Parts: sequence; C-alpha cells; structure tokens
Amino acid sequence: QKEVEQDPGPLSVPEGAIVSLNCTYSNSAFQYFMWYRQYSRKGPELLMYTYSSGNKEDGRFTAQVDKSSKYISLFIRDSQPSDSATYLCAMSAPNAGNMLTFGGGTRLMVKP
Amino acid sequence: KAGVTQTPRYLIKTRGQQVTLSCSPISGHRSVSWYQQTPGQGLQFLFEYFSETQRNKGNFPGRFSGRQFSNSRSEMNVSTLELGDSALYLCASSLSGTNSPLHFGNGTRLTVT
Repeated sequence: QKEVEQDPGPLSVPEGAIVSLNCTYSNSAFQYFMWYRQYSRKGPELLMYTYSSGNKEDGRFTAQVDKSSKYISLFIRDSQPSDSATYLCAMSAPNAGNMLTFGGGTRLMVKP
Repeated sequence: KAGVTQTPRYLIKTRGQQVTLSCSPISGHRSVSWYQQTPGQGLQFLFEYFSETQRNKGNFPGRFSGRQFSNSRSEMNVSTLELGDSALYLCASSLSGTNSPLHFGNGTRLTVT
C-alpha cells in the first residue's frame, strides 16, 4: 500500500461546478501538505501549501487538512475549463528537508 | 523572476549510455531537489541538495547521482541507462532547506531505447 493514496479519476464535471479532490495518507509524521496542478507537458505548479490541520483559502481554492483522519481535500469553486489538469497532493514530515511524498494524481476535466 | 529552468527539454539515449541533466533554480533559492515521474510510479523523490551538500536521497540505485554548484545550479547524472529509466525528470527549487514550498521546472523528458 502506498503512503499517499489518491483516486486517479478521471473526474469530469460541468463548468461552474464545485470540485472536491481528496487524498488519504498513512504516515502520521506528515505535517506539511501541498496541492499541485500539472498541465500536460508541464511541471507541477504549486497551488496550496498548508501546515498541520485546518483550512486555507486562496481565491477559488480551499485546502482542508484533517490529521485525525489522515485526510486532505482541495475544493475548487466555480470550476473553469482552464482548471482541466492533473491535481497532485504532496506531503512532508518535519526534519525531512524538502523531500515530498506525492499521491498519484487525479485527472480533472471541466466541460464547457 | 524567472522560474526553474531545466535543460534539455527532451533527450533520446540508448541503453547503456549515460546522461547529464541540468537545472537552474529560481534566483535566491538554495535548495534543489530532483524527482522522477513515470505513469506507473508517479512522482518519486531522487535527491536533494542544499548549499552544495546532498541532504536526502531517495530509494534509487547508485547509477543516479547529482551535484550542486556554488551558484546553486544542479546537475543529475544517470549512468548505464536502462529502458526503465525513461521518464520525466523534474527539478524543483526552494528558498530554504526545510519544509519550504517547492517550485518545479517543466522537466526533461528522457527516452531510453
């Protein structure tokens, strides 16, 4: 079993929908949680960076971390066709430098 | 500010050869990390450098190596290439050495034939 699990999708939604993307993890040492967006033939782009539990909002994006359940989520409001991409969760433990453990990614398609 | 720059973008090599990939981090960033991305295994950590010192290494064979220069630029080398080394190799830089956000380049696509 992988340390970080993520549904690969694809997830197809109509434009304007609220999208929910999720990851579960098994390593309780993880304290830093990230969401990246990756377009085809591009590198991952950092969307959200959170520490420990709680919520963080940035524009149309909201990240949630529930450490008691080892579960993190990314919500996208008013989804746009330009949001169509693969979304990767990543996490790291303290004193691990910048070594990230990634989920496998969820492919999102937003249809006009 | 310029982002992370990786060269070359594409490479085709033959099994048994060696290859060197280059990464220029964002100006002012001192930490550089390398990741391998494949359809089957996803993104996997290779190694990380901070101030020219390797701080962490992932679970890859010794054929994979890297280094960082005094200007923070980094190179990774893969010797005795195998077909399974075909992947997208991503470099990421960050401002500090611990738990700081990583910013990725667009990668080098390596194909081994």
